[in-house]
Formats: sequence, C-alpha cells, structure tokens
Amino acid sequence: DGGITQSPKYLFRKEGQNVTLSCEQNLNHDAMYWYRQDPGQGLRLIYYSQIVNDFQKGDIAEGYSVSREKKESFPLTVTSAQKNPTAFYLCASTQTGENNEQFFGPGTRLTVL
Amino acid sequence: EDQVTQSPEALRLQEGESSSLNCSYTVSGLRGLFWYRQDPGKGPEFLFTLYSAGEEKEKERLKATLTKKESFLHITAPKPEDSATYLCAVQAPNDYKLSFGAGTTVTVRA
Repeated sequence: DGGITQSPKYLFRKEGQNVTLSCEQNLNHDAMYWYRQDPGQGLRLIYYSQIVNDFQKGDIAEGYSVSREKKESFPLTVTSAQKNPTAFYLCASTQTGENNEQFFGPGTRLTVL
Repeated sequence: EDQVTQSPEALRLQEGESSSLNCSYTVSGLRGLFWYRQDPGKGPEFLFTLYSAGEEKEKERLKATLTKKESFLHITAPKPEDSATYLCAVQAPNDYKLSFGAGTTVTVRA
C-alpha cells in the first residue's frame, strides 16, 4: 500500500529538549511538507521541500529544523527554541505537476510537559 | 498574502437535512482550490480539487462548486458518518504551498 507514515503518534517532551518527528512516504512524490495544527486555526506551513537536499521555510519556521537526505523521508526537529510546541503536526506530500493534491499522513500529537 | 475564510465555524444538522459550507478566498490568481475532510485526531483526507470558476465535482453526498471568489461544499441528505471537519485550501500560481482556512466542523445527528 502506498502512503505516508508518521511516527510516533503521540510524543511527550520536557521543556528544553529537542525532539524529532518522522515522516516517510512511498508514493514517489517529489515534494514534502510539514504543517502545524492548533485548535480553531488553519494548518500553518512550517517547512517544505520540493527536491532532495533542498528545503524552504514556511510561515512559522522559527524553532524548527528539517532535512531531506532521501526522497522518501522528511524528518522535523522541534528544538528547545520553539516557545509553544504543543500541537498536532502533519506531514504531507505531493507530486509536482498539474495536479497538486497534497496527501497527508496520520499526524503526530506533541505535548510539552 | 493569500487568505481563506470558512463559514460557519460549526454546523449541526439533522440526518437528511441538506446544507452548504462556504469558503471565501483572496489569492493572486488561482492554481487550485482544495477540499479536505478531517476526522478528530487524524490527518486530512483529500476530497476535491477545483481549478476554474464554474467547475463542479461530486462524490457521494458531497458536491463542490467554485466561483471567482468562493467555493461551496454542498452536503445532500447527510448521514452521521458525514460528521467531520471540512477544510478548504487555495494554491497560487507558481507556488507549491497551500493556504488553509480554519475549517467548518459538521455534526450530523441521527
């Protein structure tokens, strides 16, 4: 089955710790994205990558970092510099071209203790 | 800056009671408008893409329409399993990013 997987489903972090969220896709999509979702707000873009070894900041990149060493993988690190990291994190991917539907993973809920 | 506004924020329907959700947008040109369904604690599920004014798409009890300034998602004779949050997003030309609205949470009572 083709799809996007995210792990872990739930993650708890102590203040001052860095944590890394995993996102893997086997859809052979070129582009991958990380969004943050807070209650009552739309999805906000953190980072995106259109090709391996290249990525761009989204609207709320401060306190986050990413890498794109493989086409299938786009991990997100939430650093201690992120002041309010408790949220639902969603990874998405899309094939570049005319039809640009983004397909989403199941999400990771991060809670800072 | 692209803006997407969805209304109402919440919608409570009786089973079989048809209704519509609104998505108003401002974007410099429109590459595509996307509708997603999201269940609690899960990732959004793709429903439709609309590209130009006048376009319509249907899937089971859902029908999406598009004008130059807004899109409507019509739910015909809804069932309890249609309860979810429906998200709208737009994409500008030459841009791979999507701008999302806050969503409309639909609750269908049996």
